Amino acid sequence: GAGVSQSPSNKVTEKGKDVELRCDPISGHTALYWYRQRLGQGLEFLIYFQGNSAPDKSGLPSDRFSAERTGESVSTLTIQRTQQEDSAVYLCASTVWGGTYEQYFGPGTRLTVT
Amino acid sequence: AQKITQTQPGMFVQEKEAVTLDCTYDTSDPSYGLFWYKQPSSGEMIFLIYQGSYDQQNATEGRYSLNFQKARKSANLVISASQLGDSAMYFCAMREAPNTGGFKTIFGAGTRLFVKA
Repeated sequence: GAGVSQSPSNKVTEKGKDVELRCDPISGHTALYWYRQRLGQGLEFLIYFQGNSAPDKSGLPSDRFSAERTGESVSTLTIQRTQQEDSAVYLCASTVWGGTYEQYFGPGTRLTVT
Repeated sequence: AQKITQTQPGMFVQEKEAVTLDCTYDTSDPSYGLFWYKQPSSGEMIFLIYQGSYDQQNATEGRYSLNFQKARKSANLVISASQLGDSAMYFCAMREAPNTGGFKTIFGAGTRLFVKA
């Protein structure tokens, strides 16, 4: 079946502009995560959604970052007034309830803020 | 707070030899899960192996095995018979217990493995 998809694959934006990143999880996966990965570094947790529960936003670095999810489907990560330090790959992952809860990752969106 | 530590930024191994990538973790939760993921230069994240905190035996998946030492809070990845295609970044990760409401997963800083021909 289809995996996790993300769009766009690459985004170049000017400092101060807003950007919107999209994630389509695997159908039936109840949990969805967003991570940030700066060049050569590990994954930094941003936010996760689980079913209809309130999202865990504890990893969002500032109030410029927000995310939404429609039910158990598409999620959008929005970064307002982008800064150069926001340049990174943004990874989305989803997982199904039960079992090992391994995460299935999308290909990521590479964001470059100029 | 939960924490994952990978102390080896880079590792070299000769093709066909075994290599161990270190991972230590810290949690006060008795129920947790440990994962290893591989990230080749293409950037995709590939799930390799999982160990539950209550699992009695070490997990194995083909050439991958997880050396789980619960008392020492370590979860080292062992790759046997290394191949050139194993050259990649490897991340150790830990998730909270879902029954406590936690799905959150944290990742270590990673270890870059270089396999030499």
